[in-house]
Amino acid sequence: ETGVTQSPTHLIKTRGQQVTLRCSSQSGHNTVSWYQQALGQGPQFIFQYYREEENGRGNFPPRFSGLQFPNYSSELNVNALELDDSALYLCASSQGLRVALGDYEQYFGPGTRLTVT
Amino acid sequence: AQTVTQSQPEMSVQEAETVTLSCTYDTSESDYYLFWYKQPPSRQMILVIRQEAYKQQNATENRFSVNFQKAAKSFSLKISDSQLGDAAMYFCAYRSPYFMEYGNKLVFGAGTILRVKS
Repeated sequence: ETGVTQSPTHLIKTRGQQVTLRCSSQSGHNTVSWYQQALGQGPQFIFQYYREEENGRGNFPPRFSGLQFPNYSSELNVNALELDDSALYLCASSQGLRVALGDYEQYFGPGTRLTVT
Repeated sequence: AQTVTQSQPEMSVQEAETVTLSCTYDTSESDYYLFWYKQPPSRQMILVIRQEAYKQQNATENRFSVNFQKAAKSFSLKISDSQLGDAAMYFCAYRSPYFMEYGNKLVFGAGTILRVKS
């Protein structure tokens, strides 16, 4: 069973630029969630994709957008980068919707460290 | 909206000793899930233990156990026989069971750094 992978590992961008981060979900998982973790803080939920559609969004502006592909891998796009976007971006995959109360254990990738200068 | 609070920014424990990390949360839901995650310097978030709110019995995973007090909205993690490999940032997290409304959204606390002394 292949775990969650993310690319790239590290990235340095300039303010105003655009960035795309990638996530490959664990085999058999159809749901991907993205989190932003600023240095020394807990992760903050950005949004989630379930079967290629956005299913839940946190308090992030529209310049944070995403995609999920038919193979359930996902991209996080951030436009017009700001200095405060510097953070670790975590992707987590799970099996998504189940009958009755959810048992959707999430498995995290190693993250992408984004630095905006 | 749900919130999770970890009031201990940093804790230290001697190897082989026991340490307890605190977590409180706020929610109006009656059913939910609570988690403790470990994040070592490698950054990989690893699930340590989970608790379903409808279960009265406290969860246990080897050296890790929780004290779940639903009425007090408290969820502490006890690590017994601490090992050097336990040193990491520990996060408490909350998840609603209602997938179609909230997805798999985890609400995290700010974290507690655990240092283990040899």
